Amino acid sequence: DSGVTQTPKHLITATGQRVTLRCSPRSGDLSVYWYQQSLDQGLQFLIQYYNGEERAKGNILERFSAQQFPDLHSELNLSSLELGDSALYFCASSADGGATGTGELFFGEGSRLTVL
Amino acid sequence: GQSLEQPSEVTAVEGAIVQINCTYQTSGFYGLSWYQQHDGGAPTFLSYNALDGLEETGRFSSFLSRSDSYGYLLLQELQMKDSASYFCAVRFQTGANNLFFGTGTRLTVIP
Repeated sequence: DSGVTQTPKHLITATGQRVTLRCSPRSGDLSVYWYQQSLDQGLQFLIQYYNGEERAKGNILERFSAQQFPDLHSELNLSSLELGDSALYFCASSADGGATGTGELFFGEGSRLTVL
Repeated sequence: GQSLEQPSEVTAVEGAIVQINCTYQTSGFYGLSWYQQHDGGAPTFLSYNALDGLEETGRFSSFLSRSDSYGYLLLQELQMKDSASYFCAVRFQTGANNLFFGTGTRLTVIP
C-alpha cells in the first residue's frame, strides 16, 4: 500500500460526459502528479501540483483540468469525453517538488475509465 | 525530442538473469529510475541511478552510463512473480519533479 488513495477505482460513462477523479496523496506529501496509461501503453505525464500550485504541465488536453485543494487532495476533471480517453489514470505523490533524493513517486492503484 | 526506448517484450526462464535496456535521447536530467508494474497495478519504485555506475538492491541492479546514453536493469534469480512491465524514467532539471517514462518492457518469466 503506497498510501495514495484514488477514487473511483472503476468508472464507465458515455461519450460527451464529464467525470471527476479524486486523489488523496500520502500523508505529508506536497506534490501530486497525474498520469494517463492507455491500453498496453506507457505512462503519459499530464500535470503536477505542488502545495496547491501548478508546477508542471505535460500532454494534458484542453478538455482536461486539475486542481489541488488546501488539504492537498487533488481532482482531475475530464470533460467532453471521447472513446480515446478510455485509460487508467494514475495519481502519484512525492514529498517535494524539486530535485532532492531519488525523486521517488508513490502511485495510487489508479482509476480505470471506460468511455462507451 | 526526448525519448526513452526500451525493448517491448522480453522472455526469460525462472532462475535465470535478464537485462532490460533503456536507451535515451535526452539531456539535463537528474538520474535514471526504474519502476515495476504488474498487470492492472500501480507502478512501484525499484531503483535510482544518480551517477554513472551500478546500483545493487537485492536481486535487482541498475546501471547508468551518461556518456553512452544508456542504462539497464538487471534481474537475477528470476522468479515467476517478476513477470511484469518495467519502465525506465528520468527527472528533468526543470525545477519540477515529474517523471518522464520510457516505453516499457513486458517481462515474461517461464518455468
